[in-house]
Amino acid sequence: GAVVSQHPSRVICKSGTSVKIECRSLDFQATTMFWYRQFPKKSLMLMATSNEGSKATYEQGVEKDKFLINHASLTLSTLTVTSAHPEDSSFYICSARDFGTDTQYFGPGTRLTVL
Amino acid sequence: EDQVTQSPEALRLQEGESSSLNCSYTVSGLRGLFWYRQDPGKGPEFLFTLYSAGEEKEKERLKATLTKKESFLHITAPKPEDSATYLCAVQDSNSGYALNFGKGTSLLVTP
Repeated sequence: GAVVSQHPSRVICKSGTSVKIECRSLDFQATTMFWYRQFPKKSLMLMATSNEGSKATYEQGVEKDKFLINHASLTLSTLTVTSAHPEDSSFYICSARDFGTDTQYFGPGTRLTVL
Repeated sequence: EDQVTQSPEALRLQEGESSSLNCSYTVSGLRGLFWYRQDPGKGPEFLFTLYSAGEEKEKERLKATLTKKESFLHITAPKPEDSATYLCAVQDSNSGYALNFGKGTSLLVTP
């Protein structure tokens, strides 16, 4: 199956700092990538849809100024959590849509802890 | 509004004891129904995509089926390594390619 990587896998930061998470599709090109957030023992909640070369589409209730998304190439999307606070602590997971199979493949996730 | 409901919330099976997980959905237009497996602390792993009622797909001990209102994931003679959370998601043809996930079924298979 297709492989999607995320970096870093785990990050701890102080309140008020910004954190960037990278999502890469390793063996296919992805015009569309998605960012999800998952709370403990809960399902995945879609935050935004990232389209290569255009602005991201955010779900209702997601602050676009806090969660900056950039999709600069067909294999890379980034999520920057700006001025992070403890309530932003969560498990962030990206997925990339393989156009050929119309399947979303997920990255391994990034555990963010804001102190 | 799209809705995805999975049952049971949790399931405990003895090794070799077959069972089924259910995913009921409401969607204006189904583009696809997806099954994923998620291990603790990891991202979901793709299992199957189903597109139309009557479709079935198999992979090892897993078999997924689809009707117009629900999907089943049948697990035949499970092994402890099948223990995981199984997630169902639908893709609405009117909502682009985003996935709407159910809350999942947490499966534990004991030796």
